[in-house]
Amino acid sequence: ETGVTQTPRHLVMGMTNKKSLKCEQHLGHNAMYWYKQSAKKPLELMFVYSLEERVENNSVPSRFSPECPNSSHLFLHLHTLQPEDSALYLCASSQAASVAYEQYFGPGTRLTVT
Amino acid sequence: AQSVAQPEDQVNVAEGNPLTVKCTYSVSGNPYLFWYVQYPNRGLQFLLKYITGDNLVKGSYGFEAEFNKSQTSFHLKKPSALVSDSALYYCAVGEIGNTGKLIFGQGTTLQVKP
Repeated sequence: ETGVTQTPRHLVMGMTNKKSLKCEQHLGHNAMYWYKQSAKKPLELMFVYSLEERVENNSVPSRFSPECPNSSHLFLHLHTLQPEDSALYLCASSQAASVAYEQYFGPGTRLTVT
Repeated sequence: AQSVAQPEDQVNVAEGNPLTVKCTYSVSGNPYLFWYVQYPNRGLQFLLKYITGDNLVKGSYGFEAEFNKSQTSFHLKKPSALVSDSALYYCAVGEIGNTGKLIFGQGTTLQVKP
């Protein structure tokens, strides 16, 4: 349960604000992921990092900016968001950036854009 | 392109009865298949995966899944359901060679009644 932590758990921000989501994994993994979970929609992969290098950007708008300073930490910087960006943002990690390895998820950050 | 279908939004079973949550997939190569469970206000938890080998895969909490290549299915099963199994279940598929990218189904809510 505490293998992947995310802060904050809840965030309300205006469309002109800038905020950041933080994820930390304590599992010694080399890959980290950001997902978006919206109501009534499947999980959408946003970004994949492998050893701090971004290896996947799933056509995400530039108002979302990821940062991976080391293999244990992952950030998602948010600016000028839209109301439709309101969702649960999930972070995950895996041993390596390969589908052969299961992903371990954090509890998510519930984001509301007003 | 990869895709996953979970044809049932909700499955209702009585406690003690067997349960099945259905999943079908489409990939161009050999599939890597996963089941995850999500409890309210929590991230996803890994249940089991199929990569290769025996078509019947056993996972956490007494769950198992059967890989059927001819029917392109990977149904989740449990011989005797518990009320505590009530949660949201996601099937996911990936292809080897990509960067850990999983395609998730829309999810199936399992409701186990006492």
